[in-house]
Amino acid sequence: EIVLTQSPGTLSLSPGERATLSCRASQSVSSTFFAWYQQKPGQAPRLLIYGTSSRATGIPDRFSGSGSGTDFTLTISRLEPEDFAVYYCQQYGSSSLTFGGGTKVEIK
Amino acid sequence: QVQLVQSGAEVKKPGASVKVSCKTSGYTFNSFAISWVRQAPGQGLEWMGWISCYNGNTDYAQKVQGRVTMTTDTSTSTAYMELRSLRSDDTAMYYCARVTTEATGGDHWGQGTLVTVSS
Repeated sequence: EIVLTQSPGTLSLSPGERATLSCRASQSVSSTFFAWYQQKPGQAPRLLIYGTSSRATGIPDRFSGSGSGTDFTLTISRLEPEDFAVYYCQQYGSSSLTFGGGTKVEIK
Repeated sequence: QVQLVQSGAEVKKPGASVKVSCKTSGYTFNSFAISWVRQAPGQGLEWMGWISCYNGNTDYAQKVQGRVTMTTDTSTSTAYMELRSLRSDDTAMYYCARVTTEATGGDHWGQGTLVTVSS
């Protein structure tokens, strides 16, 4: 099973700042099957990015994804108040799907 | 619009079973798979497996293999997840999600069903 490790665990930033979230895989993963999700308290996760860098429907362009192999990044160019949430990376490969442990983006 | 609506919260005793439903609408049911993901209180997301709504083929995570059964009813566009021999560490929010080839984790999610296992 591929393990996804997200860092940092918590990111304390102010609105308007840039957020850079990292996800490292224990072995190489397919870029096609790599995604990012956002989850707010009391809500189901929401798909942000799929295929490493494609934004899901309705996701603003301040969200961008990049990476390959074992290292992937989610960047939020300028944080809006509604962006403070927990973010999860996810991969599918070898008949197993795994999520990272999450990065909490909190208001500084 | 695509919607997945799950059944209500459940409280079960250890050793019992629970069956959660996920009623879908707004798309062609048998053109996609349904994934089940759970989240223990204050914890991250854990994939439990998925079912093809086209042919009923399933793929379960090793951790729940042997205790979980996923099924579908194409006549009502509803997916089901049954978990048996419940333990206290099965206490979690259970989510269904529509799977696409691009979004294997799910592009649309249900609202979640809280399952509490307690004696």
